[in-house]
Amino acid sequence: DAGVTQSPTHLIKTRGQHVTLRCSPISGHKSVSWYQQVLGQGPQFIFQYYEKEERGRGNFPDRFSARQFPNYSSELNVNALLLGDSALYLCASSLGRNSYEQYFGPGTRLTVT
Amino acid sequence: RKEVEQDPGPFNVPEGATVAFNCTYSNSASQSFFWYRQDCRKEPKLLMSVYSSGNEDGRFTAQLNRASQYISLLIRDSKLSDSATYLCVVLQDSGGGADGLTFGKGTHLIIQP
Repeated sequence: DAGVTQSPTHLIKTRGQHVTLRCSPISGHKSVSWYQQVLGQGPQFIFQYYEKEERGRGNFPDRFSARQFPNYSSELNVNALLLGDSALYLCASSLGRNSYEQYFGPGTRLTVT
Repeated sequence: RKEVEQDPGPFNVPEGATVAFNCTYSNSASQSFFWYRQDCRKEPKLLMSVYSSGNEDGRFTAQLNRASQYISLLIRDSKLSDSATYLCVVLQDSGGGADGLTFGKGTHLIIQP
């Protein structure tokens, strides 16, 4: 069975640009969460989506937004990129709203120059 | 005080030895607890959930002490392949993971031949 997939795997952008990252959850999973991991730190929670609705949001600025589609895949958008946005962006899927075990995709490594 | 605290290590341990990590969390309302393993430049992988009664999976044993707000992971008969960063993870949640997982910074383990 396919796990969580993310695209692209690597991305280089310049300051001020915007970026869209994509995630497909494990088949049958309806919840997707996004995390940012800066080198040397644990992942930081950005968003959780379930049934196409935002269910939770971490402490990130409004430049970060996301959405979930009817097939449960998800996009994370970041506008007006800053150097500090350089990180590994991880998507995690879980079975349903009350399932706490989350399974991560390989991530998208974003470099902002 | 950080929400989830871990000793970053590194822990240098000879192959075959037993090693233990502890982790403390600050929010007494935390509901679910996990250990994830992360290899260099890879995504976190769920190692085990941690239950109040303690649980064991092969060479790995996890324990939770709610009164003292700490979680432990014990690895017996350590293998070279156990070398990784071990992330302590807590979920303090109003429902369905909407608050996201809170990760510690991780403990770096190096198993030496």
